[in-house]
Amino acid sequence: QSVLTQPPSVSGAPGQRVTISCTGSSSNIGAGYNVHWYQQLPGTAPKLLIYDNTNRPSGVPDRFSGSKSGTSASLAITGLQAEDEADYYCQSYDISLTGPRVFGGGTKLTVL
Amino acid sequence: QVQLVESGGGLVKAGGSLRLSCAASGFTFSDYYMSWIRQAPGKGLEWVSYISSSSSYTNYADSVKSRFTISRDNAKKSLYLQMNSLRAEDTAVYYCARDGPAGLGATKGFEYWGQGTLVTVSS
Repeated sequence: QSVLTQPPSVSGAPGQRVTISCTGSSSNIGAGYNVHWYQQLPGTAPKLLIYDNTNRPSGVPDRFSGSKSGTSASLAITGLQAEDEADYYCQSYDISLTGPRVFGGGTKLTVL
Repeated sequence: QVQLVESGGGLVKAGGSLRLSCAASGFTFSDYYMSWIRQAPGKGLEWVSYISSSSSYTNYADSVKSRFTISRDNAKKSLYLQMNSLRAEDTAVYYCARDGPAGLGATKGFEYWGQGTLVTVSS
């Protein structure tokens, strides 16, 4: 059971917009900690997609955006492309005994 | 460019030990916290441990506390993970990742990752 909750899967057709939610609690996201998002293509290491809630590292297309409100965060992908099919993970920080860095369980994005 | 290269993975029997290494290049290693993160086959990411830039602070996931020890050598730009009393459930790909910059708190995320090294624990 992950500290941050993500839907196991989402899907969308090419060109559509999809969102992936990440729900935490008052000991992590709700405590004001930053949320980061990672994309993991099959057989590769995760790649940082969004950092500090809303920021894109250099080279990440602006089709990817992040937001945060209260105890939750979201990743939005617009203009869906076949190469976006991957696993997506949110990550934050936690002040409880579960550990100072926590991940969501991951969401598999399928491009139909 | 930033590079993180893990080594030391392999097959080990339950109860055994293994030491992972991560060689860093392309950035000022001593300016950053570093973390180990693992991924069991077909599963999600699990943070394992972090170490502060000067080795003053370390922290561990409950699942590995008292069995794993993280360390670093800033002169050699290297990160280590000593894993003792290994269990079947420790089987995973272990990634080293650059954590946040020293003194700036919980920010930036894991900006760079290594390619991972596979640890298989046989029961």
